[in-house]
Amino acid sequence: NAGVTQTPKFQVLKTGQSMTLQCAQDMNHNSMYWYRQDPGMGLRLIYYSASEGTTDKGEVPNGYNVSRLNKREFSLRLESAAPSQTSVYFCASSEAYRAQETQYFGPGTRLLVL
Amino acid sequence: LAKTTQPISMDSYEGQEVNITCSHNNIATNDYITWYQQFPSQGPRFIIQGYKTKVTNEVASLFIPADRKSSTLSLPRVSLSDTAVYYCLVGDRTGAVGNQFYFGTGTSLTVIP
Repeated sequence: NAGVTQTPKFQVLKTGQSMTLQCAQDMNHNSMYWYRQDPGMGLRLIYYSASEGTTDKGEVPNGYNVSRLNKREFSLRLESAAPSQTSVYFCASSEAYRAQETQYFGPGTRLLVL
Repeated sequence: LAKTTQPISMDSYEGQEVNITCSHNNIATNDYITWYQQFPSQGPRFIIQGYKTKVTNEVASLFIPADRKSSTLSLPRVSLSDTAVYYCLVGDRTGAVGNQFYFGTGTSLTVIP
């Protein structure tokens, strides 16, 4: 039982390049989330998927797209990376989309955009 | 508009009790208050959750007053391994999207030998 896994662990991009961050969970959770973490800003929600087949914007969605590929997998895509997207990205999942549901986080992806 | 407010940092000596307070004036009626702990280079992990009054588990206690506009995480007799960032999570009834919830900016706790 691996929990929430993320790939890659670290990535360097040049401005304008694109990439997809992958996330998978093996807990049969319905809801999945993408957060970014910047110094002094805490965790900010980018997109979430309350259930398979649905996705919605969070607090900071600009510059990102997501795909809920199936119940297990939720990917985050940067179409044209910008230096402002340099951050640590965390994927999380929970049994349902309610604030009282425990979220389980992956180890994170460190992204550097030059 | 800040959804939750926490102190940015706190220091404590080993063996002391630490109390971290989170303000959440716009908490929704049905929302719970959840605290997470994050060590460097790791994702956050769940510590404790409550709705009203007091909740205690093997790690911490959570105190919530009747108006629920704030909550206090209490860590008894901290050790060096408790050095981490602590986040408070609640729902936000004022959010335009309706049912989103937000992490606070977190409190960085440093335990000193």
